[in-house]
Amino acid sequence: DIQMTQSPSTLSASVGDRVTITCRASQSISSWLAWYQQKPGKAPKLLIYDASSLESGVPSRFSGSGSGTEFTLSISSLQPDDFATYYCQQYNSYSGTFGQGTKVEIK
Amino acid sequence: EVQLLDSGGGLVQPGGSLRLSCAASGFTFSSYAMSWVRQAPGKGLEWVSSISGGGGYTYYADSVKGRFTISRDKTKNTLNLQMNSLRAEDTAVYYCARLPTVVSPEGFFDSWGQGTLVTVSS
Repeated sequence: DIQMTQSPSTLSASVGDRVTITCRASQSISSWLAWYQQKPGKAPKLLIYDASSLESGVPSRFSGSGSGTEFTLSISSLQPDDFATYYCQQYNSYSGTFGQGTKVEIK
Repeated sequence: EVQLLDSGGGLVQPGGSLRLSCAASGFTFSSYAMSWVRQAPGKGLEWVSSISGGGGYTYYADSVKGRFTISRDKTKNTLNLQMNSLRAEDTAVYYCARLPTVVSPEGFFDSWGQGTLVTVSS
């Protein structure tokens, strides 16, 4: 099985900061990677797919990059609505493994 | 607008059974593969099972294989998950989710239900 490892597990930041989250795959997954945002008590929301494609309706301050085994999610200027937990997910194989999550907290 | 409405969760004893449902609307149900994803309390996301748009192909995580059965009803636009021989470690919020593919189970999840809580405890 493909393992996904996110870092950091928790990130403290202020409104307006640029934030970067990293996701590493245990083997190459080409660009078959998605990013989700989840707020407490809510379902995850798709942000990015195919490593760098922005889902319709998602603000352009979110961007994704990477291929192979290393990927990043960036938020160019953190907004109050962005404090949440973020997950990466590989879909190179049908098991669709998720990373353990990165919680973005208010500093 | 795509809508997925999860239902059927509740408290069940270890070894018991439960059937979850997901009512889909706002899109052509048979044109999309569907999945169940779960989240244990305070934990991350775990893929559970997927089914092709026509229902002919099904896939399961090793942790539920032989105990859970995914199915879909095209007349009711409903996705189901029959869960048998439930264990404490199956306790989680279960989400139905849509894949942007017809047959392939490999994909991201572009729409999610609101989730339904399953608690396995004596």
